[in-house]
Amino acid sequence: GAGVSQSPRYKVTKRGQDVTLRCDPISSHATLYWYQQALGQGPEFLTYFNYEAQPDKSGLPSDRFSAERPEGSISTLTIQRTEQRDSAMYRCASSLQTGNQETQYFGPGTRLLVL
Amino acid sequence: AQTVTQSQPEMSVQEAETVTLSCTYDTSESDYYLFWYKQPPSRQMILVIRQEAYKQQNATENRFSVNFQKAAKSFSLKISDSQLGDAAMYFCAYRSLAQKLVFGQGTRLTINP
Repeated sequence: GAGVSQSPRYKVTKRGQDVTLRCDPISSHATLYWYQQALGQGPEFLTYFNYEAQPDKSGLPSDRFSAERPEGSISTLTIQRTEQRDSAMYRCASSLQTGNQETQYFGPGTRLLVL
Repeated sequence: AQTVTQSQPEMSVQEAETVTLSCTYDTSESDYYLFWYKQPPSRQMILVIRQEAYKQQNATENRFSVNFQKAAKSFSLKISDSQLGDAAMYFCAYRSLAQKLVFGQGTRLTINP
């Protein structure tokens, strides 16, 4: 696609429910990233994929968080047993390839509110 | 671990004037990239400019330029001829060898007409 897309754009859920967020990267991009952005803060790294491989998931805050990219394109971020502190903007970004010279392009984000 | 610090939570400037946003970072790496991203009220993340650490020449993109001081680990953004559309949250970011971006806390820029 022309840009990174994410769905849903907004998600309201009750504490204890599971949620799954979706990211559709730019079609030619091999690398995909997930970030969490709390209100008034900068984004914080969660995990990234190089195609379907997941070399780094050090930023995932707990084992309730998991991410997949089974076919190396679309990715999902799942939060199990959501807690109010999980409320944030979840951002996906993609880049053409792995390498710190590659610019990351961000999607519009999914705003999650846990009641 | 790398850290990025933006010491100005808020800045304001008159339309058509010039403003400089500060950013410092801490790293032990010698090869890295630095970025400025703009986040308007829509909360999109838009790349403004990037700088390769191995390049001495400061990056420039139209009205946006950086002052990159590698020894001082400083990476400030200068916006010339400020426009109302420049009003946004600006984030400085460091790209590590571990691939992830490390962001500062952001600076909210207001443009006064």
